[in-house]
Amino acid sequence: DIQMTQSPSSLSASVGDRVTITCQASQDISNYLNWYQQKPGKAPKLLIYDASNLETGVPSRFSGSGSGTDFTFTISSLQPEDIATYYCQQYDNLPLFGQGTKLEIK
Amino acid sequence: QVTLRESGPALVKPTQTLTLTCTFSGFSLSTSGMCVSWIRQPPGKALEWLALIDWDDDKYYSTSLKTRLTISKDTSKNQVVLTMTNMDPVDTATYYCARTTSGFHAFDIWGQGTMVTVSS
Repeated sequence: DIQMTQSPSSLSASVGDRVTITCQASQDISNYLNWYQQKPGKAPKLLIYDASNLETGVPSRFSGSGSGTDFTFTISSLQPEDIATYYCQQYDNLPLFGQGTKLEIK
Repeated sequence: QVTLRESGPALVKPTQTLTLTCTFSGFSLSTSGMCVSWIRQPPGKALEWLALIDWDDDKYYSTSLKTRLTISKDTSKNQVVLTMTNMDPVDTATYYCARTTSGFHAFDIWGQGTMVTVSS
């Protein structure tokens, strides 16, 4: 089975900072990776699909890159409303989510 | 506008069977590529995909839970039903249904979720 390792598990950053989260797959998953944002008490929201494609309506400060086994999610300039938990999700095989990264404001 | 809404009991007893319904609008599950999944999230923990049913009535299940899960659809009612047998307190979670538009892909629209507590 494919394993997904997402890091860090938590992150504290200041408004305006560049924030990076990584997700590593245990085997080659091509670009079959998505990123979601989940705010407390809310359902997840799709931000990035197929590793690097921005979902319609999502601000351009969010971006994704990578292929194969190593993937990166970036917020270019952190905003207060970006406080949330972020999840990667692979779909090369049965869908599997990473363990999440809780992002807090410093 | 595409929407999904989960419904079901808020409380079930250990060993009971849970039945959840996802009622959706704005798309048809008979359209090629359309799929609906169930995903759960225990309090304070990560998301876990459970099951998917596609437009062609193909069904896929989590490897670890497949013996306990059944997913079905009623296209005429725009509903997808998940049953989970032999419920245990560790199954306490918020259960979400979500759509994908091309098989296993990105979950682009999610329901608000329904919290299920397993307790005697």
